[in-house]
Amino acid sequence: GENVEQHPSTLSVQEGDSAVIKCTYSDSASNYFPWYKQELGKGPQLIIDIRSNVGEKKDQRIAVTLNKTAKHFSLHITETQPEDSAVYFCAANEKGYSTLTFGKGTMLLVSP
Amino acid sequence: DAGITQSPRYKITETGRQVTLMCHQTWSHSYMFWYRQDLGHGLRLIYYSAAADITDKGEVPDGYVVSRSKTENFPLTLESATRSQTSVYFCASSAGLADNEQFFGPGTRLTVL
Repeated sequence: GENVEQHPSTLSVQEGDSAVIKCTYSDSASNYFPWYKQELGKGPQLIIDIRSNVGEKKDQRIAVTLNKTAKHFSLHITETQPEDSAVYFCAANEKGYSTLTFGKGTMLLVSP
Repeated sequence: DAGITQSPRYKITETGRQVTLMCHQTWSHSYMFWYRQDLGHGLRLIYYSAAADITDKGEVPDGYVVSRSKTENFPLTLESATRSQTSVYFCASSAGLADNEQFFGPGTRLTVL
């Protein structure tokens, strides 16, 4: 099945800095790559996604890039704010596109 | 209120006991999922369902049983709980295949003593 690796496991930045989280996947048939944010004590929530027919997608301060040849995708957060502090999960679809495989998560801490 | 709910939010049980975690969604989403979240492992899929009466195994199904007699409910049963099943369990639903947003419930923290 699909295998998704996510790095780093923890990331500390100063407010206003940029943060980058990287993921690799194994199944070349995967074509959908979402990113979820999980705040403390809550369930994960979708923040941005990208499909294999595009290389980059932006939504205000967050962006995702995809390199299908290298089978990796990244989340970029610019001008980080303390409320960006959370656990971020990348994922890729698999198994006839019915399910997602998640990375192990990145804990992002933004210090004021 | 509309959305996806889980009950109970917290549960402590003993090894060997049967435990059922409930999940209910009000969107009439066809797909529902159960994940467990453990430190160092992220989110791992236990079971999922594409529609009422259709269920399939995920990555870590051993020791768990699911059913889906109604579209809106997807209970997860631990038939004989073990300490290794201590975890936070999340239910999710989506309108369609994996390229549709999954909406997660608030989670159930289960401790097996």
